[in-house]
Formats: sequence, C-alpha cells, structure tokens
Amino acid sequence: AQKVTQAQTEISVVEKEDVTLDCVYETRDTTYYLFWYKQPPSGELVFLIRRNSFDEQNEISGRYSWNFQKSTSSFNFTITASQVVDSAVYFCALRDGGYNKLIFGAGTRLAVHP
Amino acid sequence: DGGITQSPKYLFRKEGQNVTLSCEQNLNHDAMYWYRQDPGQGLRLIYYSQIVNDFQKGDIAEGYSVSREKKESFPLTVTSAQKNPTAFYLCASRQGTNSPLHFGNGTRLTVT
Repeated sequence: AQKVTQAQTEISVVEKEDVTLDCVYETRDTTYYLFWYKQPPSGELVFLIRRNSFDEQNEISGRYSWNFQKSTSSFNFTITASQVVDSAVYFCALRDGGYNKLIFGAGTRLAVHP
Repeated sequence: DGGITQSPKYLFRKEGQNVTLSCEQNLNHDAMYWYRQDPGQGLRLIYYSQIVNDFQKGDIAEGYSVSREKKESFPLTVTSAQKNPTAFYLCASRQGTNSPLHFGNGTRLTVT
C-alpha cells in the first residue's frame, strides 16, 4: 500500500531561521512520483515541485531546496531564511506509476513569526 | 487567465438536504478530481474523471455523486447519505499522466 507520512504536525520558527519539513513515503512500485504543495490561508494548493523515482538529484529553487533519498524513502523540504509569507500548510504527496491519483500526507503547518 | 473556479466559497445546508458544489476549469484539462480536506487528515480522494462521460470512485466515494457531461465541468453532489459532510472540498485538474494537479480555491461546506 502507498502511504505518505508527515510526522511534524506544526512547526513554529522566527523569521530568517532555516526550517526542514519531513516527508517519508511507502510504496512497492519502482516507478513513482513525489510532489510538494503549499496551501496558504486562501485555501488553494500551489504546486512546488515534482520528482520522479529515477532522479535522486537534490534541487534548489531560490530559498527552497529538496532532498530526495530513496535509501530512507524520504523527500524532505528545506526553506532557508524563512519569511512570514512562507506561513502555510505544506503537503507531501505520492503517485505510483500504475495509479491515477495522488496520496497526500496529513500536512505540516508552518508558522513563521516576525 | 486559465484556472479552476469553485463556487460558492462558503456553503451552509441543513442536515438531510443534498447540495451540489460547482467546479469549472478553462485549462482544457482532460482529468478532474474532487478531494475532501479535514483537519489533520490531509486530502482524501472522493471521485475522479479522466475523460468526459466517465468517472471513477476514489477512497471515500460513499455519500457523494458526480457527473462529467462537459470537459470543463465536474460538479460534486453531497447527498444526505454522507454521514459527516462538513469539510473543505477541493477540485483539481491536470493534463497528462505525470503532470501536477492544479487546484481551485475550495468550497467550505457546513451542514447543521
């Protein structure tokens, strides 16, 4: 069965701190895709990144970076020098190669205080 | 601008009434999805449709119904059989098997 675990329910940091959001997944497939989405207070989920199981390169986009490690089935997300605008709920999601749906984790609520 | 429109943003109903949530997209996407979001549980899939006039049940389809008569529209009906309908409902679409989902702003349904 596929499963995504985001063990951190809520994280609170002060602006300019670095913060890492953890994501651990379970799947039996060798081909799969991992995603991160951001949900600001407005409610809409905003796509941040997609990574396929054959590409273990870490990725950096501005203050955001992602660390994909197949050996530990993790796809962690780090925000460097956090800002108040980063306050949101962040979801990690998994899509197996043979399925047409995303399995979401429970989400991590990040609060960045000035 | 292309996007997904969900209406209304807030919806209130009395227990025992059916209610339909609207979802319209102008992205020309083939696939559309309905998710339900409850506090601390992430998103759970209710129904999805890959093409017009076809749809499949997701993980929590009981008490819900959908139709896909037009490519751009995928309305969700919450029936009186749904035992705990109060939740935040999100509609999404995508084009291509491995493309990311695009989400609407959601509808918050409260049933009393």
